[in-house]
Amino acid sequence: GNSVTQMEGPVTLSEEAFLTINCTYTATGYPSLFWYVQYPGEGLQLLLKATKADDKGSNKGFEATYRKETTSFHLEKGSVQVSDSAVYFCALREKKAGTALIFGKGTTLSVSS
Amino acid sequence: DTAVSQTPKYLVTQMGNDKSIKCEQNLGHDTMYWYKQDSKKFLKIMFSYNNKELIINETVPNRFSPKSPDKAHLNLHINSLELGDSAVYFCASSQVWTAGGSEQYFGPGTRLTVT
Repeated sequence: GNSVTQMEGPVTLSEEAFLTINCTYTATGYPSLFWYVQYPGEGLQLLLKATKADDKGSNKGFEATYRKETTSFHLEKGSVQVSDSAVYFCALREKKAGTALIFGKGTTLSVSS
Repeated sequence: DTAVSQTPKYLVTQMGNDKSIKCEQNLGHDTMYWYKQDSKKFLKIMFSYNNKELIINETVPNRFSPKSPDKAHLNLHINSLELGDSAVYFCASSQVWTAGGSEQYFGPGTRLTVT
């Protein structure tokens, strides 16, 4: 079945450090890929997405590229801020009617000043 | 305007009780979902409805029963609550299929605590 694997956290960084959170997936076909973010005490917000191979999703300084050859969708940011502290979820969704998101286990990011 | 709303935000109840969580979306989407987030933050799909029809029904105890009175609402009723039901429940909605990748919009969550 389809699945998503992301690096275990927590990830602890100093402000302005470079961030990478690894995400790989297993899927039949070519799903859409997403990164969602959950700030403390809140629901999930879509951070970025990519729908086909080599697409790059970007938002708020975060980027991720859909790599079919390595089945990966790693999240990167060049300079993190304290306000980026949150839980980050990688997810996939098959391009079929009515399918649900399949999430990775989430990676907690803590940024200190 | 709130896109996906859930009530209540917090729910504390005793084992054996029956409770409901309500969800409403004003995005005009035709598909709605319930996800469960456990204490380790892991998110898993429970149910999905499209145009009031049940599409996804994961291996969830039949004490959980979703009800969709119309496309904009999906409620979750839980009978005979158990300690293990304590979790955060998220409602979400999406279009069934768009070229943009069918992103889902999530509600703020309902934290259920069973004592």
